[in-house]
Amino acid sequence: KQEVTQIPAALSVPEGENLVLNCSFTDSAIYNLQWFRQDPGKGLTSLLLIQSSQREQTSGRLNASLDKSSGRSTLYIAASQPGDSATYLCAVRPKYSGGGADGLTFGKGTHLIIQP
Amino acid sequence: SAVISQKPSRDICQRGTSLTIQCQVDSQVTMMFWYRQQPGQSLTLIATANQGSEATYESGFVIDKFPISRPNLTFSTLTVSNMSPEDSSIYLCSVVGQDQKYGYTFGSGTRLTVV
Repeated sequence: KQEVTQIPAALSVPEGENLVLNCSFTDSAIYNLQWFRQDPGKGLTSLLLIQSSQREQTSGRLNASLDKSSGRSTLYIAASQPGDSATYLCAVRPKYSGGGADGLTFGKGTHLIIQP
Repeated sequence: SAVISQKPSRDICQRGTSLTIQCQVDSQVTMMFWYRQQPGQSLTLIATANQGSEATYESGFVIDKFPISRPNLTFSTLTVSNMSPEDSSIYLCSVVGQDQKYGYTFGSGTRLTVV
């Protein structure tokens, strides 16, 4: 059974710092990996999607890497801002054997606070 | 990517009653899923909503408690039946398109409190 672990569980840093969030998964047979952001009491906003054949994806100040063989992904946030404060979730999609897609397996998230 | 409208956004319900949550997508999608997020926890998949057939439930979730409908490729409902305080959670609808290019998209969620 796939398990996803995110470290750290919580992080509080001053504005302007660069930071790294870590995600690990136990089964390397994945189709892709997706990073999400969740604001308190809200739904999920997709940040970056990395296909299993890719090594990294970038969007603005965000960069996500994937090392499928070692079961690891990192989300790098450059020049952090108070608006980046949220919970960041990592999720993997398993390779499917049938004709459809399977649901995602999520980590418990990293609760990030950026201090002004 | 698809845009999802999920209703209601929140509700407070009495124990023993049922609530139906709606998920409307602005385009036809291949797969639709329902998740639960209990307080302080991550997301857990409840079931895959199959168009024109019975939903596929994950271990620990049963149809009598969480009946799901999907009459077409753009709409699905999740009912939380005979509610108890333990059902207080955020419930989220998620979709993935046929080309799966954009990954999974989530609705804004339904925050349910059972009193």
